Amino acid sequence: GEDVEQSLFLSVREGDSSVINCTYTDSSSTYLYWYKQEPGAGLQLLTYIFSNMDMKQDQRLTVLLNKKDKHLSLRIADTQTGDSAIYFCAVADDKIIFGKGTRLHILP
Amino acid sequence: ETGVTQSPTHLIKTRGQQVTLRCSSQSGHNTVSWYQQALGQGPQFIFQYYREEENGRGNFPPRFSGLQFPNYSSELNVNALELDDSALYLCASNSRGGSGELFFGEGSRLTVL
Repeated sequence: GEDVEQSLFLSVREGDSSVINCTYTDSSSTYLYWYKQEPGAGLQLLTYIFSNMDMKQDQRLTVLLNKKDKHLSLRIADTQTGDSAIYFCAVADDKIIFGKGTRLHILP
Repeated sequence: ETGVTQSPTHLIKTRGQQVTLRCSSQSGHNTVSWYQQALGQGPQFIFQYYREEENGRGNFPPRFSGLQFPNYSSELNVNALELDDSALYLCASNSRGGSGELFFGEGSRLTVL
């Protein structure tokens, strides 16, 4: 079945860039999403990309899609303490499959 | 503000009981999906409703059922609760054929004792 894989943890120094990676198996995915979840909260849609795009930039966020390698990444520029959260990659065709999430830890 | 609202926010049940969770979708969205998020895990797809009919289901037993109403709001019902049903239940809405944006509510946290 479809699978979405992410590394579980990432530590980054405040002010540096964070890059969170995701690989998926379903080549028919139409939309690919990045969500942020803070402790005790629901999922906040950060950004998404349509499968015919290679890149999308939105302020500090840059999404890169390599469809051939089925690889999606989220780059957060100038990482701040408020960026500390769990980041979920999700891919969608007729249903949406989530990864297990990457916990981003910000070092002072 | 996503516009997707869920109720109740928290509830406690005992094994064998039944629970109903509710979701109001964002205005203009005609599709509702439900997800179960166990502690430390990513959300798992339960099912999706479009125009009041189930339109896709994940790997969940029949005791998980749902409804979508003409105003596109939705209910998730779970019968014969088990301890492992303890989780955050998330509702998401989107507009089929729309922009692709999928918005989530804050979730209903269910604890089964």
